[in-house]
Order: sequence, then structure tokens, then C-alpha cells
Amino acid sequence: EAGVAQSPRYKIIEKRQSVAFWCNPISGHATLYWYQQILGQGPKLLIQFQNNGVVDDSQLPKDRFSAERLKGVDSTLKIQPAKLEDSAVYLCASSFEWLGPSPLHFGNGTRLTVT
Amino acid sequence: DQQVKQNSPSLSVQEGRISILNCDYTNSMFDYFLWYKKYPAEGPTFLISISSIKDKNEDGRFTVFLNKSAKHLSLHIVPSQPGDSAVYFCAAIHAGGTSYGKLTFGQGTILTVHP
Repeated sequence: EAGVAQSPRYKIIEKRQSVAFWCNPISGHATLYWYQQILGQGPKLLIQFQNNGVVDDSQLPKDRFSAERLKGVDSTLKIQPAKLEDSAVYLCASSFEWLGPSPLHFGNGTRLTVT
Repeated sequence: DQQVKQNSPSLSVQEGRISILNCDYTNSMFDYFLWYKKYPAEGPTFLISISSIKDKNEDGRFTVFLNKSAKHLSLHIVPSQPGDSAVYFCAAIHAGGTSYGKLTFGQGTILTVHP
């Protein structure tokens, strides 16, 4: 099966600019996640979707970050305006099951550098 | 508040020997634990998991041990192979909570297996 697709792979922007990341989950996976991984740390959940509804966005900095999952398939994560501390790898993941623990399948991520 | 900790940033092992990666957690509500492996420029891939009702789970060369009273788990790789060289993340979930995908990750341990 095709894996989780993410684009772009790399992005360099200046602070205060905006940026958007795209994710296409594994076909049939209803649950989609965006994680932020800062260098030297483990991934941290930003937002979780079940189909096109938000399940958990408690750790999303909503003053600058936004995400949507129209039609319950693809998703975009946007940062506007970016700060230096947003430099990280942004990982998208998807899973099939909702009502039980299920391993997440991760994409290869987008590495963002804010200068 | 680091609820999942991997206190060893790195581990170096000779090929054929055992690799032991450790993980401690503080949240007693965690009841499902996973290990992920990550190669450079790729997303994390699921390796093995264990439910809190068990104290051991085995899959080929990989075994995970859980000590609930000590809030400690470990991943054993026997025998270690050069291809096992990667970053290993421990993750935990409160499966009885409202968000199954809200994995809490440790900081990761870099494993290097020397030929």
C-alpha cells in the first residue's frame, strides 16, 4: 500500500512569512495527525482529525497555526506568521482504527527552517 | 513536563550483541506503549507495542519488557545488526482516554551498531 505522502520535503522561509504543508494519508485511514518534531526532541502532537472533524488541537498554537482536512482525506497545515522557534520537522501520520490503540503510519515529514 | 523519558541519548553496540534501550514514564494513566524506529530523513516507523496487561511482547529479534510498578519499559534487540542503527523512540498512550492518537514520545535514543 502507498504510504503517507507529504510535501514539500524541505522549506526555508524568513520569520514573519507564511508557509503551508500538505499531507495525503493512507487510503482508508480515517484518522490524521500532525506532529512537530524539534531537533533533539520526540514528536509532539499538534492536531488530530477524525475524518474532517478536529478531535484534539489542545497543543496547536492557534494564534499562528491552522489546519484543515476538507472532505476527510488530504490535509494542510499552515503557519502564519512564522517564528524562529517554528523550525522543526512537521510529520503527518494516519491510522485506520479509532476505537482502540493502533500504530500510526508516518510520512517522511517536511523540514522547515525559519531564518 | 516530560512524561516519557529516554535518559540515554545514544547507545553503541557491537554487531551480534544485545542492544537494550530504556524508557521511563511518569503518567500512571498510560496503558499502551509503542516503540518506533526512525532513519534519517524518514518518518518514524512502528516497531513493536505492549499493553499494560502484559509484561513482555516478542516479535522476532525485538522484545519489549514492561515493569509497571517501576514505570519502566525496555526494548531488547538480539542479535543487533548494522541495519538496526537508527533513532528509537518510546511512546505511550492513555488508551482509555478520548484521543487514541495522542502519543506522548520520549526524546529518542540513537543506536549505532558497529560491524
